[in-house]
Amino acid sequence: NAGVTQTPKFQVLKTGQSMTLQCAQDMNHNSMYWYRQDPGMGLRLIYYSASEGTTDKGEVPNGYNVSRLNKREFSLRLESAAPSQTSVYFCASSYRAGGPYNEQFFGPGTRLTVL
Amino acid sequence: QKEVEQDPGPLSVPEGAIVSLNCTYSNSAFQYFMWYRQYSRKGPELLMYTYSSGNKEDGRFTAQVDKSSKYISLFIRDSQPSDSATYLCAMSVQGGSEKLVFGKGTKLTVNP
Repeated sequence: NAGVTQTPKFQVLKTGQSMTLQCAQDMNHNSMYWYRQDPGMGLRLIYYSASEGTTDKGEVPNGYNVSRLNKREFSLRLESAAPSQTSVYFCASSYRAGGPYNEQFFGPGTRLTVL
Repeated sequence: QKEVEQDPGPLSVPEGAIVSLNCTYSNSAFQYFMWYRQYSRKGPELLMYTYSSGNKEDGRFTAQVDKSSKYISLFIRDSQPSDSATYLCAMSVQGGSEKLVFGKGTKLTVNP
């Protein structure tokens, strides 16, 4: 039981390049989330998927797109990376989006640097 | 006023001390309260999960919720250097699709 896995662990991009961050969970959870974490800013929600087939914007969606590929996988795409997107990205999942059983379980993170 | 306020610290204590970490919140509809621990360069991991008011104990950790004061606490007894981490509180309302609201975290260092 791996929990939430993320690939890659590290990535360096040049401004304007694109990339996709991958996330998968094996806990049969319905809801999945993408966060970014920056010093002094805490965790900020980028996008989430309350259930398979749905996605919604979070607090900071600009510059990102997501795809809920199936119940297990939720990807985050940067179409044209900017230095402001340098951050640590975390994927999380929960049984459901609202309480109860909404506690989220996090992946190990992807450290992204945009030059 | 932010929905969830958490003192960022840093907080430094000697090994064996009792640690108190706190969050205040403004939304009286919050019913579910969580504490996460995040080691440096790792993802947050769920530490405690409580519903509504009261206390919950798990080993050296006690989570306390005071809904009348809109205040939650995490106590760590007999603190160890391995407890050095950032602690984040999180909370949500009952039902619906309301997501977790996180505090910004308190950085704790336990000195041997």
